[in-house]
Amino acid sequence: NFMLTQPHSVSESPGKTVTISCTGNSGSIASNYVQWYQQRPGSAPTTVIYENNQRPSGVPDRFSGSIDSSSNSASLTIAGLKTEDEADYYCQSYDSSNVIFGGGTKLTVL
Amino acid sequence: EVQLVQSGAEVKKPGESLRISCKGSGYSFTNYWISWVRQMPGKGLEWMGRIDPSDSYTNYSPSFQGHVTLSADKSISTAYLQWSSLKASDTAMYYCARDDYGDYIWGVWGQGTLVTVSS
Repeated sequence: NFMLTQPHSVSESPGKTVTISCTGNSGSIASNYVQWYQQRPGSAPTTVIYENNQRPSGVPDRFSGSIDSSSNSASLTIAGLKTEDEADYYCQSYDSSNVIFGGGTKLTVL
Repeated sequence: EVQLVQSGAEVKKPGESLRISCKGSGYSFTNYWISWVRQMPGKGLEWMGRIDPSDSYTNYSPSFQGHVTLSADKSISTAYLQWSSLKASDTAMYYCARDDYGDYIWGVWGQGTLVTVSS
């Protein structure tokens, strides 16, 4: 079964840049689009990246996404970190009519 | 404004049935699939399945097939998630989300419905 693996947690200081990885265990992560969702404590998820690197309107350009086929991974990069970016981040893709989420990464901005 | 508004929190006993709802507004409800996502306490997101409100065609995650039923009433722009016999393990937050950008790619999310199953 296709799985997506994320680091359990990352931390960085305000103003810095952080990258969260999402690695596929088989096949090619580039075969289907990867999305990234932000979930702040006590809130519903929101979409910050779709189709690997597209930002919905309203999402600041500090958020960017990319795919690296050589490592079979996707990445979410957040530049100029703000305290409001502290949240859980989930990558998501799909395979054969099933949807797969990564386990989520807790971002701490301290 | 495009919105998905979900029904309120529920507290049920094991064995009871339940239907929760997700009402779309601000757009043509039949133009977008609606997915349901589970989040158990302190855990990650799990996709349950989705429904095409235009014809009520569904596809389910293998993990949830047979355990829940998705339906929709396009006349009132509402999608439903239902259980015939709840278990304590169904305790979770449930979100609906709209396929905005293509299959299984969501943009608009509901606010979530907390379901608590306890004797």
